[in-house]
Amino acid sequence: DAGVIQSPRHEVTEMGQEVTLRCKPISGHDYLFWYRQTMMRGLELLIYFNNNVPIDDSGMPEDRFSAKMPNASFSTLKIQPSEPRDSAVYFCASSLLAGSYNEQFFGPGTRLTVL
Amino acid sequence: QKEVEQNSGPLSVPEGAIASLNCTYSDRGSQSFFWYRQYSGKSPELIMFIYSNGDKEDGRFTAQLNKASQYVSLLIRDSQPSDSATYLCAVNSYSGAGSYQLTFGKGTKLSVIP
Repeated sequence: DAGVIQSPRHEVTEMGQEVTLRCKPISGHDYLFWYRQTMMRGLELLIYFNNNVPIDDSGMPEDRFSAKMPNASFSTLKIQPSEPRDSAVYFCASSLLAGSYNEQFFGPGTRLTVL
Repeated sequence: QKEVEQNSGPLSVPEGAIASLNCTYSDRGSQSFFWYRQYSGKSPELIMFIYSNGDKEDGRFTAQLNKASQYVSLLIRDSQPSDSATYLCAVNSYSGAGSYQLTFGKGTKLSVIP
């Protein structure tokens, strides 16, 4: 399996622009997670899906952020409008289950820079 | 608010020594604990997990858990320069709807000096 796939790997945009990050989870994994990592705040969970349904979006920082999972093999995280403080590395992860002992597999991440 | 605390480091150890990484957590209901390794510019990768009090060994790595003290640690024996990375402690807690969430610490940066 190719693992979790994310695109783009790097994104540089200007404040106010719309940004769309994409993720393809590992085939057969029922859970998909979006994380954001910064030096100040570490790795934070933004939202996660179970069987394409959003379960918990309490980590989404504000209404500028939205996430969708139209099918089992694709998810998007959208920021509109983007702001410089959104600059971070965004990781997508997937897991087979979400049990207590289940491993999450991370994608390579998207490094977002908002100027 | 569930919190996971780690010393940010950097922790420097000579090659061949034992590196000791520590983590404390706030949620007493936490059931399992994970150690991820993250090389600079890369994504986190799982090293091992533990869910019972005591020690769990896997090669050069030993995870230790003390739920009464809400403390988990990772020992790396015979440290190698290739172990130089940031180590993230993650705590799995029930979040409702039959599923669990990982809460990550900010990580400890380890540097193994040749």
